[in-house]
Amino acid sequence: GAGVSQTPSNKVTEKGKYVELRCDPISGHTALYWYRQSLGQGPEFLIYFQGTGAADDSGLPNDRFFAVRPEGSVSTLKIQRTERGDSAVYLCASSLGQGPDTQYFGPGTRLTVL
Amino acid sequence: AQKVTQAQTEISVVEKEDVTLDCVYETRDTTYYLFWYKQPPSGELVFLIRRNSFDEQNEISGRYSWNFQKSTSSFNFTITASQVVDSAVYFCALKSSGNTPLVFGKGTRLSVIA
Repeated sequence: GAGVSQTPSNKVTEKGKYVELRCDPISGHTALYWYRQSLGQGPEFLIYFQGTGAADDSGLPNDRFFAVRPEGSVSTLKIQRTERGDSAVYLCASSLGQGPDTQYFGPGTRLTVL
Repeated sequence: AQKVTQAQTEISVVEKEDVTLDCVYETRDTTYYLFWYKQPPSGELVFLIRRNSFDEQNEISGRYSWNFQKSTSSFNFTITASQVVDSAVYFCALKSSGNTPLVFGKGTRLSVIA
């Protein structure tokens, strides 16, 4: 079956602009996670959804970052007033939402803020 | 707090050599899960294995094997007879039970030279 998909694969924007990153999880997966990976580092947790609600947003770095999942499937990560430090690869993962809950990752969106 | 340490930043081996990637973790949970993911140059994180904290049995899958030792809080990964296609960054990760985020190490970059 289809894996996790993310669009766009690359996004270049200017400092101060608004961006949206989209994640389409594996069909039937109720849990969805966003991570951010900086160069040479492991992914770091941003936010987690169970169904439509954000169950844990403790990893969001500040209030410029926001994410939604209105119908419990596709999720959008929104970044306002982008800064150069936001440049990273943004990874999305989904899981069944039960049991040991292995997370499966999408290919990521590489965001570059000039 | 949970923590994963991958002390080896980069490893380079000649094809057909065996190589072991180290992973040490910290957690106060009694039930937890350990993972290894592979990140090839394409960037997508590929799930390799999950181990439960209550199952210390080692596992072998083809050329891959994993050694889980709770006494030393380690979950090491060995590739036997390495191949050029094994070249990638490998991440060890830890999560608590339930729908919780993964905590990743910084990764080990493995280069297999023909």
